[in-house]
Amino acid sequence: AQTVTQSQPEMSVQEAETVTLSCTYDTSESNYYLFWYKQPPSRQMILVIRQEAYKQQNATENRFSVNFQKAAKSFSLKISDSQLGDTAMYFCAFMISDSNYQLIWGAGTKLIIKP
Amino acid sequence: AAGVIQSPRHLIKEKRETATLKCYPIPRHDTVYWYQQGPGQDPQFLISFYEKMQSDKGSIPDRFSAQQFSDYHSELNMSSLELGDSALYFCASSSPGQGDEKLFFGSGTQLSVL
Repeated sequence: AQTVTQSQPEMSVQEAETVTLSCTYDTSESNYYLFWYKQPPSRQMILVIRQEAYKQQNATENRFSVNFQKAAKSFSLKISDSQLGDTAMYFCAFMISDSNYQLIWGAGTKLIIKP
Repeated sequence: AAGVIQSPRHLIKEKRETATLKCYPIPRHDTVYWYQQGPGQDPQFLISFYEKMQSDKGSIPDRFSAQQFSDYHSELNMSSLELGDSALYFCASSSPGQGDEKLFFGSGTQLSVL
C-alpha cells in the first residue's frame, strides 16, 4: 500500500524568508506522480506543483520548487521569498501512473507566514 | 480558463434528509473524482468516474451514490444524512492518459447536517 507522510503538522516563518516543507512516501511502484496542493483558509484546493517520478529534474513554479529524491522517497517543497498569501495548509499527494489516478494524501502541514 | 464548477457552495440539511451535490468538470476532462474532507483532515476519496462509468470506489457509504452523465457532469446523491456527513465535498476532474495527470479541484460544497 502507498502512504504519504508529512512530519511537520505546523510551521511558521517570517515574510520573505524561505521555508521547506517535508514529505516522504512509500511505494513499490516505479511510475508515479507527486504533487503539492495548497489549501488556504478559503478551503479551495489549489495545485502548486507536480513532479513526474521518471524525471530527475526538480520541478519549479516561480517561487515554489521541489527537492525530489527518488531513492530516498522524499519530496520536499521549498517556498522562496514567502508571502502572506502563502499562509495555508499544504498537502503532499501521490498518484500511481496507469492506475486509477487516485490521489493519496499526506496529513498536511499548516504553514503560517508572519508579517 | 474554465475551472471545475461545484454547486451549491453551501448546503444545510437536517438529519435523515437527502442532498444532491453537482460537479461540472473542466471541458474535455473525462474523469471526475469525489472527495470528502472533514475538519482538520486530509481529503478522503469517495468515488471516481471515467467516460461515464464508475472507475474506482473508495470509502463511500452505501447511503451515497453518484453518477456521471452524458455531458460529463457528475452528481453525488446522499441519503439518510447523518451528523458525521458534515464535511467539505470536493469534486476534481482530470484527463489522465493524455500526459497531463493532474487533478483540478472545484471550490467544494460545504455540507452541514444539523
